[in-house]
Amino acid sequence: DQQVKQNSPSLSVQEGRISILNCDYTNSMFDYFLWYKKYPAEGPTFLISISSIKDKNEDGRFTVFLNKSAKHLSLHIVPSQPGDSAVYFCAARGQSNYQLIWGAGTKLIIKP
Amino acid sequence: ETGVTQSPTHLIKTRGQQVTLRCSSQSGHNTVSWYQQALGQGPQFIFQYYREEENGRGNFPPRFSGLQFPNYSSELNVNALELDDSALYLCASSLGRETSNIQYFGAGTRLSVL
Repeated sequence: DQQVKQNSPSLSVQEGRISILNCDYTNSMFDYFLWYKKYPAEGPTFLISISSIKDKNEDGRFTVFLNKSAKHLSLHIVPSQPGDSAVYFCAARGQSNYQLIWGAGTKLIIKP
Repeated sequence: ETGVTQSPTHLIKTRGQQVTLRCSSQSGHNTVSWYQQALGQGPQFIFQYYREEENGRGNFPPRFSGLQFPNYSSELNVNALELDDSALYLCASSLGRETSNIQYFGAGTRLSVL
C-alpha cells in the first residue's frame, strides 16, 4: 500500500531548463511534506518542505507546489544545473508526528 | 560540526545470524531515526529514539530492536536475519522528534543476507 507515489523513476532535462518532479499521495491526513535529494553513496539531504496550510514554498532555485484537492505536489528546479543530477525523494508526515512516509524516488539527470 | 556517521559501510551475513549497526548522531542532536531502504524503493521508517527512549515504531517485527546511548549515538540490532532484510540501512539525527525538524542522514550501511 503505497501512500506516497513518485510515478516517474527517472527524468532527463537539459541544463538551464526547468525540472519538474511530481509526487502523489493518498492519505488526506498528511499535513507536512518534504523533498530530499540523494547522491550516490551519500545519505539523503533535506531540500525543501511545505505545510498543508500553504500551496507554495520557494527557496532559491527550488519551489514546491502543493495541490491538496488533487493530493499532488511538485518540485520545480529552475534553472537546472549539472549538480542537480541526483535521486529526489518526496516524503509526507504520517498520522504520527515522528514518522515520514517516503516515495520511491525519481532519478533526475541534467544533460549539458 | 561532525555529521552523521554509520558503521560498518558494508556487511555480509547469513540467514539466521544477528547483526548490529551503529550510528553517531550529529553534534547536539538528541533524536535518531532508523530507516530500511530496499533496492528501488524509498526509505521505510523502522523506529525513532528520543533521549534514549523509543519514541515510535514503524511496521517492523520485534526482531528489529534498537538502543540510544547517553551521548545520543544509536544501535540497530536485527536478530534471526532473513533474506528480505538485505537492504541499505539509514540513520538520521535531528534536534527534536517532530518530523518538521530537519533530519540529517548518514551514508548508510549496506547489509547483504545470504
